[in-house]
Formats: sequence, C-alpha cells, structure tokens
Amino acid sequence: AQSVTQLGSHVSVSEGALVLLRCNYSSSVPPYLFWYVQYPNQGLQLLLKYTSAATLVKGINGFEAEFKKSETSFHLTKPSAHMSDAAEYFCAVSEVAGGTSYGKLTFGQGTILTVHP
Amino acid sequence: DSGVTQTPKHLITATGQRVTLRCSPRSGDLSVYWYQQSLDQGLQFLIQYYNGEERAKGNILERFSAQQFPDLHSELNLSSLELGDSALYFCASSLRPTVTYEQYFGPGTRLTVT
Repeated sequence: AQSVTQLGSHVSVSEGALVLLRCNYSSSVPPYLFWYVQYPNQGLQLLLKYTSAATLVKGINGFEAEFKKSETSFHLTKPSAHMSDAAEYFCAVSEVAGGTSYGKLTFGQGTILTVHP
Repeated sequence: DSGVTQTPKHLITATGQRVTLRCSPRSGDLSVYWYQQSLDQGLQFLIQYYNGEERAKGNILERFSAQQFPDLHSELNLSSLELGDSALYFCASSLRPTVTYEQYFGPGTRLTVT
C-alpha cells in the first residue's frame, strides 16, 4: 500500500532563508507525487507534481522538488522564503496499479510553515 | 478560486442527525472526489465518481454515502452522526478520473457535530 511521511509537523524559517520541507514515500509501483499548499480557511492548491518525467520538478511560487528514487524522497524547496509562503503543505502520492490509475491521493500529515520577518 | 463550489460552508448539527454536503465541480470536469480532513486522521480519500458512476472507494464509513447526478454535481450524505465525524470535508474535481489530470479543490464544508 502506498503511504507518505512528512518529517516535521512544523518548520520555521526567517524571511529570505531556504525552505526545505521533507517527504518520503512508500509505494510498490512507480508513484506519482504531489505537493499541495493549504492557506488558512481555503482548499488545497497544487504546487507541483512528479509524473516520471524530469526528476527535478518546478512548480508555482518559486517552489521545486526533486524525486530521488534511491532515497524514496520528494522534498520541497524554495531558495528564499517570503512571508506569503506561510501555510500548511501536504505531500501526496497516487499509484498506477495494474494499469489503472484512479487518481485518488494519499496525503501525508502536513507541515505547517511559519516565516518570521 | 478553483472553480469548485461547496455548500454549505459551515454546518453545525447534533449527534444522530443526517446532513447532506453539496459539491459543484469545475465546468467541464467529469470526475469528483471527496476527502475528509480531521485532526485525528489527517486528509483521507473517501470516494470518487466519474460521469455519474462510483469509481473508487477509500476509508468511507457505511453511514456515509455519495452520488453524482446527471448535471455532475455531487452530494455526500452523512447519517447517524457521531462526534468523531466533525471535520472539514473537501470536494475536488478533475477532467478525467486519472492521476494525470490535476484535481482542483473546493473551499470545504466544516462540519461540527455537538
């Protein structure tokens, strides 16, 4: 069964500092991996996704993530944090099993990012 | 704005009651997903519909049911409510029911069971 583990439920950085949010996955087949962001009182918004093309994926708002099969990781980074990046971030996995992909997402527990001035 | 609408935004009800949550997908999207977000369980997939038919089921309780109507809107029915059903319920939609199509999430319905 597929699963996702996000290391660190809270991450705090200073404005302008590097953002690193960690995600490790478990999947018996090549996974599709996603990062979503949730701002307070809003739904989830897709930041980026990995679908077995390039291992370095660029997303919106300056975020990117690198798929590392050997480490079963898909960490999210941003070179310079902005106050508007403060939100909760979710890593998610979706499998293609038996040639069928239903699109359902399995989410990690989420990481709350705080950005200090 | 994702284009997915959910009503109501907030719902407060008592244990043992039944409620219906409504979702209208983005224009043109044929697939609808329901997710539950709670402090205990995090974000969990409940059920998926495509063009009116159930396509995949997740951790959905027997007390819960859903359907997708011919106009593609979907309803999630929760019955015999318990305190533990208090959560944020999200609907998402995509053009097709596969992972290659992005899911767009609605703002959610916050259910409080007292």
